[in-house]
Amino acid sequence: NAGVTQTPKFRILKIGQSMTLQCTQDMNHNYMYWYRQDPGMGLKLIYYSVGAGITDKGEVPNGYNVSRSTTEDFPLRLELAAPSQTSVYFCASSYSTGHLAEKLFFGSGTQLSVL
Amino acid sequence: GQQVMQIPQYQHVQEGEDFTTYCNSSTTLSNIQWYKQRPGGHPVFLIQLVKSGEVKKQKRLTFQFGEAKKNSSLHITATQTTDVGTYFCAGPSGNTPLVFGKGTRLSVIA
Repeated sequence: NAGVTQTPKFRILKIGQSMTLQCTQDMNHNYMYWYRQDPGMGLKLIYYSVGAGITDKGEVPNGYNVSRSTTEDFPLRLELAAPSQTSVYFCASSYSTGHLAEKLFFGSGTQLSVL
Repeated sequence: GQQVMQIPQYQHVQEGEDFTTYCNSSTTLSNIQWYKQRPGGHPVFLIQLVKSGEVKKQKRLTFQFGEAKKNSSLHITATQTTDVGTYFCAGPSGNTPLVFGKGTRLSVIA
């Protein structure tokens, strides 16, 4: 199993550009998450999904959109990139036991710079 | 909303010294989890504590969950250079995704 795979690993955007961060997992996990990590600030939840067709906002959803058309994929969309979105983005998934407190499996991250 | 606080933010130790990081939640947790992130890497799950007062050991690492299930600690005995990284605690409140602390960055001087 590859686990959680994120692409791209690095990206530089200009202000106002759009892009999609890809995330796919092959562990048949229903629960998937997007976190962003700023230096010294820990991990903040952007969006999460408990299954195909179901998404919900996390702590910092503004400026982002997600979709979940399949169990495996959970892309994160930035519509109008802003410098405040410069960060490292981690996708994660977890076992589906009926609650959201199971351990997370993280992808290797996408380092995004908006200039 | 729920907040999870960790102290210290940074810790520099000589190799062989002990290290402890503390985690406090503003609400009672159903469980608490610890993750380690190596420099340039991604968070990796270490352990989950569920019971009040629970203590678990993994080789030189000792994890504790407080009696009130609002605080936790991670203690490393005789640190090694392989222990370098940032240690995060995380906990859910009710049926919500994990909330992470800001982490404690550990540096080990050989």
